[in-house]
Amino acid sequence: GQNIDQPTEMTATEGAIVQINCTYQTSGFNGLFWYQQHAGEAPTFLSYNVLDGLEEKGRFSSFLSRSKGYSYLLLKELQMKDSASYLCAVRDSNYQLIWGAGTKLIIKP
Amino acid sequence: GAVVSQHPSWVICKSGTSVKIECRSLDFQATTMFWYRQFPKQSLMLMATSNEGSKATYEQGVEKDKFLINHASLTLSTLTVTSAHPEDSSFYICSAFQNGGSASGGPEETQYFGPGTRLLVL
Repeated sequence: GQNIDQPTEMTATEGAIVQINCTYQTSGFNGLFWYQQHAGEAPTFLSYNVLDGLEEKGRFSSFLSRSKGYSYLLLKELQMKDSASYLCAVRDSNYQLIWGAGTKLIIKP
Repeated sequence: GAVVSQHPSWVICKSGTSVKIECRSLDFQATTMFWYRQFPKQSLMLMATSNEGSKATYEQGVEKDKFLINHASLTLSTLTVTSAHPEDSSFYICSAFQNGGSASGGPEETQYFGPGTRLLVL
């Protein structure tokens, strides 16, 4: 079966750095997405990786290793507004998005 | 980024009535749209995939006669919850699949989400 694993919840301190991991087992691979979802709101697109390596976009970076079925989202200089759920999703060989359950990130002052 | 709108943003209705939710892609043509449902503190659950001009593809366990999907144009898909019951109360989110090009700055064929519709059935 297809499976996306990410931690349920993480806690970090304002101004610090946090890494949210995502491992996947899917039928084929056509890209990995990270989305941010604030409570009560729809997800918003953060990043996309299809080749191995690190993609940097401001305070957020996303890494992919296809051979290991592994990705992480790195958030630097954490701000209180970064408190949200972070969803990892993989597009499989049928171009279907397989979603992880999300990681709830709690930022403390 | 690409803009996807949903209407209404929230709706309260009586049990047994039907509710229609609209999803529009505002700055690009969406040949494919997705409808998701999300219960509190749970992950997104894909309900169906709608393709412009053809019948929607429903996920296992989703009743096609209860959740009617129409994708009549490249910018509009509608989800109608028929004979709604309290257990249908949920957060319904659509996403539009931008086909070709990355005018919004995202990768080609990225899904962009609408703001969601919160449905409460009394």
